[in-house]
Amino acid sequence: TQLLEQSPQFLSIQEGENLTVYCNSSSVFSSLQWYRQEPGEGPVLLVTVVTGGEVKKLKRLTFQFGDARKDSSLHITAAQPGDTGLYLCAGPRTSGYALNFGKGTSLLVTP
Amino acid sequence: DTAVSQTPKYLVTQMGNDKSIKCEQNLGHDTMYWYKQDSKKFLKIMFSYNNKELIINETVPNRFSPKSPDKAHLNLHINSLELGDSAVYFCASSQAAGLDTQYFGPGTRLTVL
Repeated sequence: TQLLEQSPQFLSIQEGENLTVYCNSSSVFSSLQWYRQEPGEGPVLLVTVVTGGEVKKLKRLTFQFGDARKDSSLHITAAQPGDTGLYLCAGPRTSGYALNFGKGTSLLVTP
Repeated sequence: DTAVSQTPKYLVTQMGNDKSIKCEQNLGHDTMYWYKQDSKKFLKIMFSYNNKELIINETVPNRFSPKSPDKAHLNLHINSLELGDSAVYFCASSQAAGLDTQYFGPGTRLTVL
């Protein structure tokens, strides 16, 4: 099983602060995905990173895939209460079907 | 239009009962999944179906039996429910298997008393 470790597990910050969430593995992944899950809902895809060293931006969110394709990070600039949720990284299973998920980072942004 | 729908949203039942959760997707996808999210929010694959055929069956007890009557539906039947089955169950679908975007349903919160 290709394990994905996420840190921190919990993060509580105030509106306007910056933060970074990490996703690490000892395995090499062909690509990684980041999902956000809001309370009472299913996860929703934010981004897929494919190339080692790749950086993708989604408004105030910046995603980076490590050069060795073993890790990824999510940086949020000037966090807003609407960013509150559970952030999950996921990678394809070796078999190619379904995803392995990290245990998630639960983010709370207070006004 | 809801892309992936699940019923019921909440399910409260006694130990030993049998229950089913239904899932439907209107995206025309070929692959459907069942995931279990435990109380610590860890999301783990249970089953994967591709074109109505079972592809992945993780180390899930035999009490769990998925059924796919057609490509748009993947139901989950659970026999002899146990306390440890309490969790949120998510159905998902994707056009292709692997790292194609997965679309998740809203989840079914199962509570076994």
